[in-house]
Amino acid sequence: QVQLVESGGGLVKPGGSLRLSCAASGDTFSDYHMSWIRQAPGKGLEWISYISGSGSAMYYADSVKGRFTISRDNAKSSIYLQMNSLRVDDTAIYYCASLKGGNWGQGTLVTVSS
Amino acid sequence: QAVLTQPASLSASPGVSASLTCTLRSGISVGMYRIYWYQQKPGSPPRYLLKYNSDSDKQQGSGVPSRFSGSKDASANAGILLISGLQSEDEADYYCVIWHSSAWVFGGGTKLTVL
Repeated sequence: QVQLVESGGGLVKPGGSLRLSCAASGDTFSDYHMSWIRQAPGKGLEWISYISGSGSAMYYADSVKGRFTISRDNAKSSIYLQMNSLRVDDTAIYYCASLKGGNWGQGTLVTVSS
Repeated sequence: QAVLTQPASLSASPGVSASLTCTLRSGISVGMYRIYWYQQKPGSPPRYLLKYNSDSDKQQGSGVPSRFSGSKDASANAGILLISGLQSEDEADYYCVIWHSSAWVFGGGTKLTVL
């Protein structure tokens, strides 16, 4: 099992950028495929990006493709989400998670507003 | 049509069993997927409940009571989360998830109310 802690959320203007981090502790981090999932206020869960344990495979939801970039540093037991060209509808709590293993962080709030 | 469809809400009384369905889109066979179930209470991240593919390929989440179980209904092309002996603490949102076409796909969630 891994324990996950997200950071980097905050208030940003439309068109701006933000970089989220997710730090893991516990098990061998490179064994875990990781994802970013978000939840807009009062809405359901939306998967937005995946990265394999080695970092060789990355996938994105259409809603963020071309704007967001996922990456990982296994030496630091961390994954990242670089978010560019942010829009108001990107406002959400962002979670990192290992969906197969059922491990989730507490989430970090991103608010995009002028 | 969404890949996964869940009823928006379900109400049930304490002590009874509740069956939450997760219907796969036509053309996507439930037999081909491992279905993951999550519970989410207000203000908290989702909690992993279980995953179910078959009776020989299933896993209960750590600390999850055996009252929660998974199954599939091939005739309905659906995954099912069965909660037996409903308790007030089971009131929450429930989400199903599958890995489909190089993406994790969530159902829209079912809000379970325990009356």
